[in-house]
Amino acid sequence: EAGVTQFPSHSVIEKGQTVTLRCDPISGHDNLYWYRRVMGKEIKFLLHFVKESKQDESGMPNNRFLAERTGGTYSTLKVQPAELEDSGVYFCASSPLSTGGNSPLHFGNGTRLTVT
Amino acid sequence: AQRVTQPEKLLSVFKGAPVELKCNYSYSGSPELFWYVQYSRQRLQLLLRHISRESIKGFTADLNKGETSFHLKKPFAQEEDSAMYYCALSRYNTDKLIFGTGTRLQVFP
Repeated sequence: EAGVTQFPSHSVIEKGQTVTLRCDPISGHDNLYWYRRVMGKEIKFLLHFVKESKQDESGMPNNRFLAERTGGTYSTLKVQPAELEDSGVYFCASSPLSTGGNSPLHFGNGTRLTVT
Repeated sequence: AQRVTQPEKLLSVFKGAPVELKCNYSYSGSPELFWYVQYSRQRLQLLLRHISRESIKGFTADLNKGETSFHLKKPFAQEEDSAMYYCALSRYNTDKLIFGTGTRLQVFP
């Protein structure tokens, strides 16, 4: 089974530019999550899709971040305009819908974003 | 507020020594606790979860509700255990994870 894939693996942009990160979840996984790890800090939840719907976007830092999941398959996370504090590793994770209890998350390799 | 605390950023041991990676949590309900591991140049992956009560790669973790802890233990560390370890919790019936800051385990030969 193909795992969660993220593109690009690295991105270096200047402050004020726009970057779009992409995540392809495991086929059939309706849950899709975005997380971010800023240097030296914990991995923080950004948002959660169930299929194409945003279930929880309480972790999105501000309106410069826009996440979409059209068609309920892959997802994009756009940062516009990027600021220095947006630098970090952005992780995507997916899991199947479960009827009860919690399913472990399957993570991608992450996208390392550097804003200069 | 829900929080996971991993007090050690780095833990260095020699091969064959016992290992304990500490994790404490704060949560008012009944959480589910996990340990995730990231080996060098690999993706973050699940190591074990408290409801499974399994030993994975020689690691075990017991949920202590009185001390609100979920420490990860291994009696004899191996060099291949060197990695970044994250403790995480989720509420019942949701997969959303709250992570600690992680502990880097270095096992020297």
